Amino acid sequence: RKEVEQDPGPFNVPEGATVAFNCTYSNSASQSFFWYRQDCRKEPKLLMSVYSSGNEDGRFTAQLNRASQYISLLIRDSKLSDSATYLCVVNGDSGYALNFGKGTSLLVTP
Amino acid sequence: SQTIHQWPATLVQPVGSPLSLECTVEGTSNPNLYWYRQAAGRGLQLLFYSVGIGQISSEVPQNLSASRPQDRQFILSSKKLLLSDSGFYLCAWSVREGYTFGSGTRLTVV
Repeated sequence: RKEVEQDPGPFNVPEGATVAFNCTYSNSASQSFFWYRQDCRKEPKLLMSVYSSGNEDGRFTAQLNRASQYISLLIRDSKLSDSATYLCVVNGDSGYALNFGKGTSLLVTP
Repeated sequence: SQTIHQWPATLVQPVGSPLSLECTVEGTSNPNLYWYRQAAGRGLQLLFYSVGIGQISSEVPQNLSASRPQDRQFILSSKKLLLSDSGFYLCAWSVREGYTFGSGTRLTVV
């Protein structure tokens, strides 16, 4: 079983739509969770951390369900500039390294 | 400010040639440093990480090696490149939350 699994998409949504991405992870001892954004042919950049209580940053909401080992990212009022690949990230066994999902591709259309 | 530098941005190398990619960080001391590879259509794969000078941990046995000759310098090397070494190589360092990535080196082995 892969350590971090995501639906690869692509998700094609119109501007203004709400879209949700899901992610599952296999290591029940994981303590750190993140969502990264990667634009085409660029390096990944941290979008937001995911906290147990859930957290929101503007149009973005991240939630964590430890019992189900499940992480989600909700994007409201999608903008064209939200088009990118969204990577789910979880810390690994070593405690130092992070494990990345393959990413979910989002395309927001006019 | 804390920054991470990675070069070159792109590289085309013949099979069997050597490789040396360099990554340096500024504005911090004793960072944890990482090398990841992202092959076409695949997720980020951790190759090496280092918690200090001369300390290298390898996550995946392969044709590559890493060295950390100075606190803020991390080098990825190969004596003889294979076609399968093609990919997007990313250096990263740990911050309080998540990683910050360098801009990456896109390597094509021909």
